[in-house]
Amino acid sequence: SQELEQSPQSLIVQEGKNLTINCTSSKTLYGLYWYKQKYGEGLIFLMMLQKGGEEKSHEKITAKLDEKKQQSSLHITASQPSHAGIYLCGAHYNFNKFYFGSGTKLNVKP
Amino acid sequence: DGGITQSPKYLFRKEGQNVTLSCEQNLNHDAMYWYRQDPGQGLRLIYYSQIVNDFQKGDIAEGYSVSREKKESFPLTVTSAQKNPTAFYLCASSPGLQGTLYGYTFGSGTRLTVV
Repeated sequence: SQELEQSPQSLIVQEGKNLTINCTSSKTLYGLYWYKQKYGEGLIFLMMLQKGGEEKSHEKITAKLDEKKQQSSLHITASQPSHAGIYLCGAHYNFNKFYFGSGTKLNVKP
Repeated sequence: DGGITQSPKYLFRKEGQNVTLSCEQNLNHDAMYWYRQDPGQGLRLIYYSQIVNDFQKGDIAEGYSVSREKKESFPLTVTSAQKNPTAFYLCASSPGLQGTLYGYTFGSGTRLTVV
């Protein structure tokens, strides 16, 4: 959606390397979600950020929401082949509309 | 375990046919959604439903229809009016529209191909 821009569109990294995916909103977010999708499968909820400056971690994945609540980054430390997939950010600006970014395809080379 | 079940996983449609994609959830969620995913375009909302017997059009509802006769079920019919139906379809649910604070739960998807 135009409301949410994700970058990069695709990423190939060597196993063990760190990487960052960005999600930028054209408007102030009410809540920002990160999902992971294995190719041809459904989406798995990773984490949700709501407060400006908030940061959450799950295993080797850390997500941050900036103070202005218009940009989020997803950082993977020491990437592994199991991290491969499509990462999507999602956000809602009011209770009736939820938008997704176009996704970032991640490949991790062993 | 609670979750969302989509069926079938793969579906082939001939030109001019209507096909129905199934979505069933046992999470006791009030809200359910259908999304279409095309390569490089992320997810686009087709229809959503807040409660039984009520549903609303999303951003790309043309050529699709839904029903919500039971809380657990939200089937999507792809009609012959949908000119480019080949895509990956995802069903999702949440406790309520306001329950999006807790994220969505997604099914595993149905890949529809026109033959």
